[in-house]
Order: sequence, then C-alpha cells, then structure tokens
Amino acid sequence: NAGVTQTPKFQVLKTGQSMTLQCAQDMNHEYMSWYRQDPGMGLRLIHYSVGAGITDQGEVPNGYNVSRSTTEDFPLRLLSAAPSQTSVYFCASSPGQGLIFGQGTRLTVV
Amino acid sequence: AQSVTQPDIHITVSEGASLELRCNYSYGATPYLFWYVQSPGQGLQLLLKYFSGDTLVQGIKGFEAEFKRSQSSFNLRKPSVHWSDAAEYFCAVAPWNQGGKLIFGQGTELSVKP
Repeated sequence: NAGVTQTPKFQVLKTGQSMTLQCAQDMNHEYMSWYRQDPGMGLRLIHYSVGAGITDQGEVPNGYNVSRSTTEDFPLRLLSAAPSQTSVYFCASSPGQGLIFGQGTRLTVV
Repeated sequence: AQSVTQPDIHITVSEGASLELRCNYSYGATPYLFWYVQSPGQGLQLLLKYFSGDTLVQGIKGFEAEFKRSQSSFNLRKPSVHWSDAAEYFCAVAPWNQGGKLIFGQGTELSVKP
C-alpha cells in the first residue's frame, strides 16, 4: 500500500513551459485534491475532485488545470508556467474525514 | 467564509517544557478540526482530529488538543517537548459535509532548545 505518490519530486521550468504533476493513490479514495504551499501562507487549495469525472476549483485555481479520468489518478497541469507558480505542491486524498498527503513536488519557475 | 488563524508564527521552547500552539477558526457550525505536523522537506502527517464527542482529543506522539466551542479554538498541547518535535504545525478546518476540503492556517514553526 503506497498511499499517495507524487512525481516528480523536483522540477525546474522556464517561464512559458508546460508540465504535468502526477498524483496517484491506491486507497480507492473518491476525494482527491491539490494544494500549494508558500512560506507564511500555509496550504492553499488549487483544485479538488469528489470522484472520477468530477472536478472543481479551490481557492487559487488560476493557471492550473486538472482532470480525473480514474479514481486512482489526479494530474495537475500547468499550461504556461509563471514565476508566481514557484511553490511546493502537495497532492492529497481523503477517506472522508481528513487528508492523506503525498511527499510533495518542489517546482521552480525561472 | 471559513478561516483558520494561528497567531504564533514561530515559537521556541526548551526541551522538556510544556507546549501549547494556538488555533482559532471561523465557521458557522461545528466543523471538522485537524492538526498536522510537517518536518523539513517532508509531507504533512496527521497528529489528531476532532469531529464530535469528547472535546479533548488524543493524538500521536503524545499530543492532545481541546475543542472549545465558546472560544472557536482548537489548541494543541504537549506536556513535555522532545527535540524531535521541532517542525511546522498546521491547524485545519473542514466543513462537516466535506471532510476532505481542508482550509489551513498559516502554520506555527516550533523550535526546541536543548
């Protein structure tokens, strides 16, 4: 049982490049979400999903896209990276009460 | 709108001393409440959670938290801090019907003096 797995762990992008952060969970949780963590701001919700085919925006969705084609996977796409998207990104899944987090992806946009 | 406030950005305590980290929330009804801990470069680990019932909740690593509805608070406590407790601590709230949609406070960084 691997829990929540995020790849890659580190990434450097140039402004304007696109990329996808991968997230997979093997706990059969319906609920999955993406957060970004910035110093002094805690974790802020980007997008979340309550099941395959259903996604919704969180607090800071601009510049990010998501899709949920399977229960296991919830990728986060940056279509045109900007320096303001430099952050640590956490994927999480929920059994209904609370979240189980992945180890994070540290993204730097130069 | 829901919100969580952790008034202390950074706290330093001596090893063996007691600890209390403050958390205040804003929510119309009784929410789900959580405390998470994050060691440097790591993900977040759940320390404890409150949904209903006994307002004093026990967690892992010797931590406990008390829900006080009248003060909209959910403070985290530990009677005797160990050097390994140095980390960042996050309080979070979720609506009762959306237990996975957590809103986090800004975090409190704990340093432990020998």
